[in-house]
Amino acid sequence: GNSVTQMEGPVTLSEEAFLTINCTYTATGYPSLFWYVQYPGEGLQLLLKATKADDKGSNKGFEATYRKETTSFHLEKGSVQVSDSAVYFCALSVPNFGNEKLTFGTGTRLTIIP
Amino acid sequence: GAGVSQSPSNKVTEKGKDVELRCDPISGHTALYWYRQSLGQGLEFLIYFQGNSAPDKSGLPSDRFSAERTGGSVSTLTIQRTQQEDSAVYLCASSLDRRTNEKLFFGSGTQLSVL
Repeated sequence: GNSVTQMEGPVTLSEEAFLTINCTYTATGYPSLFWYVQYPGEGLQLLLKATKADDKGSNKGFEATYRKETTSFHLEKGSVQVSDSAVYFCALSVPNFGNEKLTFGTGTRLTIIP
Repeated sequence: GAGVSQSPSNKVTEKGKDVELRCDPISGHTALYWYRQSLGQGLEFLIYFQGNSAPDKSGLPSDRFSAERTGGSVSTLTIQRTQQEDSAVYLCASSLDRRTNEKLFFGSGTQLSVL
């Protein structure tokens, strides 16, 4: 079946540090890959996505590259801010005749300290 | 409304009682999803509605769980004879249509606590 494994948290970093949150996946077919973010008190929202191998998704200074050879989609940011504190979810969907459900990882809680 | 609305935001109930959770999707969104988020777990898919098609119930964990969507808009998730393991955050999401499922818009969830 389809599954997503992501780095266990919580992760605590100082402001301006470099961030990596690892995500690997198992899927049949050719999945699309996503990072969703849940800020405190808010609903999940799409952060970035990539739909085919070697694509790079980017948004708000975050980047993730779809690596088919390593089945990975690691999230990176060069200099984190306190406002980046949130829970980050890696997810995938596989084409299924228009019924592509998202499969999520367990989430990684990130805390940035000033 | 501007976003997906869920109610109540918190629900505390006794084991064995029935609960109803409500989701009001974004107007015009034809696809609606229910997910469950348990402590230390990922988001677990429960059920999916798309327009007038039969819902995909493949994620419902037992026959105590059911959901309906009236008039293609508001959805209600019902849990009968609640158990302690049902305690979780129940999230609703909607999207414009099933082909663009990656653009899911999530509500803030209902925190269910079964005592």
